[in-house]
Amino acid sequence: NAGVTQTPKFQVLKTGQSMTLQCAQDMNHNSMYWYRQDPGMGLRLIYYSASEGTTDKGEVPNGYNVSRLNKREFSLRLESAAPSQTSVYFCASSGQGRLRGEAFFGQGTRLTVV
Amino acid sequence: DQQVKQNSPSLSVQEGRISILNCDYTNSMFDYFLWYKKYPAEGPTFLISISSIKDKNEDGRFTVFLNKSAKHLSLHIVPSQPGDSAVYFCAASAIYTGANSKLTFGKGITLSVRP
Repeated sequence: NAGVTQTPKFQVLKTGQSMTLQCAQDMNHNSMYWYRQDPGMGLRLIYYSASEGTTDKGEVPNGYNVSRLNKREFSLRLESAAPSQTSVYFCASSGQGRLRGEAFFGQGTRLTVV
Repeated sequence: DQQVKQNSPSLSVQEGRISILNCDYTNSMFDYFLWYKKYPAEGPTFLISISSIKDKNEDGRFTVFLNKSAKHLSLHIVPSQPGDSAVYFCAASAIYTGANSKLTFGKGITLSVRP
């Protein structure tokens, strides 16, 4: 049981390049999230998907797009990467029947934009 | 404007003693509070939570206390163990959110437990 799987684990991009961060969960969870963690900032919500077919902006959505491909997969796209997007990105999922707020996180993607 | 504040960036305690991690919040709409634990190079993992209708929740060595009037919560770890050394994030959610884990996190506290 893999839980939440993120790919890639590490990535270096040049300013202006694009890329997609992939996330998949095998727990049959309805909701999925993308957070970023920056030094001294905690985790901040970028986008979330409460259920398959819906997506909504979080606290820091600018510069990102998301796709809820199906119930399992939720991808995060950077169309034109900027140095300010250097961060560690975490995907998470949560489901019915769990404690409210109990999300399961992936191991993270460390992204550097140069 | 930080809605969840963890003002102490770090805490060091002796093994076997109590660790007390503090958290303050400003948003009165928050009604559910959680603590997450994070080891280096791993994702955060859920530790314990508390609803605003309670003032205490206990799970083994971990107890969370909530003081709604002061908008303050704390996590007590007794006794502390070296394996508890990690970053602890306080998080909060409001009932109006459509997703049940749309969380607002604090900056985190690095706990070091000395053998």
